Amino acid sequence: EVQLVESGGGLVQPGRSLKLSCAASGFTFSNYGMAWVCQAPTKGLEWVASISTGGGNTYYRDSVKGRFTISRDNAKNTLYLQMDSLRSEDTATYYCARQSYYFDYWGQGVMVTVSS
Amino acid sequence: DIMMTQSPLSVAVTPGESASISCRSSKSLLHSNGITYLSWYLQRPEKSPQLLIYQISNLASGVSDRFSGSGSGTDFTLKISKVETEDVGIYYCVQFLEVPYTFGAGTKLELK
Repeated sequence: EVQLVESGGGLVQPGRSLKLSCAASGFTFSNYGMAWVCQAPTKGLEWVASISTGGGNTYYRDSVKGRFTISRDNAKNTLYLQMDSLRSEDTATYYCARQSYYFDYWGQGVMVTVSS
Repeated sequence: DIMMTQSPLSVAVTPGESASISCRSSKSLLHSNGITYLSWYLQRPEKSPQLLIYQISNLASGVSDRFSGSGSGTDFTLKISKVETEDVGIYYCVQFLEVPYTFGAGTKLELK
């Protein structure tokens, strides 16, 4: 059974950093691209970033470029999102998702709140 | 960026009846390889999204065949036959033709 379990969320002040993790199991992690998708409170879904199977190619939405870094450790079956210079508008639930040309499995999500 | 426009934004359906949701993209989602990168998701209340349909009309594993997708180019439709209680939630279309991958605003399905 495919499982994606996010962790690392919480309350953080504007300008500070946070690192999310997503532990994957039930499939060969290194064979799949992965992504982060967020959902601000009461809002719709928004793609944040994606990473290729080996980690050599990464893609970001404009609003997080230069502030967020997606990475992966295939030996640990884990996806990461390093979030720096956080802003109030980054407040959202962050989901990790397995990616082909669609997101076929999603984690349960982790809440990130950016507030002073 | 490719804009995804869904309609209606909400729909109320009598159980057992059908519902259709439209999704329109600002650019054709047909890739030069012949594949159209349009997929549909359902987010039930307080749950994570789940994949329903990919590449216009391919049913995801474990998804009821009451769901079907159609369309081409820039115009797509998700149809839900014989709506059930478990179908309540918000439906999203998403394009994977190019980054940034973009979602529609969502269509909320409720029961009458």
